[in-house]
Amino acid sequence: SQTIHQWPATLVQPVGSPLSLECTVEGTSNPNLYWYRQAAGRGLQLLFYSVGIGQISSEVPQNLSASRPQDRQFILSSKKLLLSDSGFYLCAWSEGGEQYFGPGTRLTVT
Amino acid sequence: AQTVTQSQPEMSVQEAETVTLSCTYDTSESDYYLFWYKQPPSRQMILVIRQEAYKQQNATENRFSVNFQKAAKSFSLKISDSQLGDAAMYFCAYRINFGNEKLTFGTGTRLTIIP
Repeated sequence: SQTIHQWPATLVQPVGSPLSLECTVEGTSNPNLYWYRQAAGRGLQLLFYSVGIGQISSEVPQNLSASRPQDRQFILSSKKLLLSDSGFYLCAWSEGGEQYFGPGTRLTVT
Repeated sequence: AQTVTQSQPEMSVQEAETVTLSCTYDTSESDYYLFWYKQPPSRQMILVIRQEAYKQQNATENRFSVNFQKAAKSFSLKISDSQLGDAAMYFCAYRINFGNEKLTFGTGTRLTIIP
């Protein structure tokens, strides 16, 4: 069966520091992968999606970037975090028209 | 651009009763999918139910059912025999039936179950 992992689960970082969040999927090949952000009390905002290795599409201009170095690995990065980057980050993969979400990473920028 | 609107930020229901959560959407497409996701306090997003736009029959999953009104662009979720474990944020979501399968989410409805 397919599973999706995200780490770390929780992260506290100072403003201006770099960021790297990782997402991996097991049990499937060539999935579509997505990064969403959920601000406190808000819905999910799509940040990036990828339909294959090295193929990244950005939905929202910002200081974040994404990469897909391997088929089942999706990384969210930043060179310098802003206070506004705080939130809950969810990775998802899709198959058969449905999206399945990872457990998420809670990021607090101080 | 497609938009999804959930006009009820919060709802509450007595345990064992029935509650309906509302969702409307705006699209010019004719072939699309609609979803309801549940986000409990653990914050894991869980797919509750899905509806294909080309199907006239409303989807049902155990105690969860939808009322899909395509012409009115309305997609409500009915939860029957509410249980304490149903307490969560519920998100309505939309995607077109081709391309990269991106989801557009509503802002959510927080459902409280009263014992």
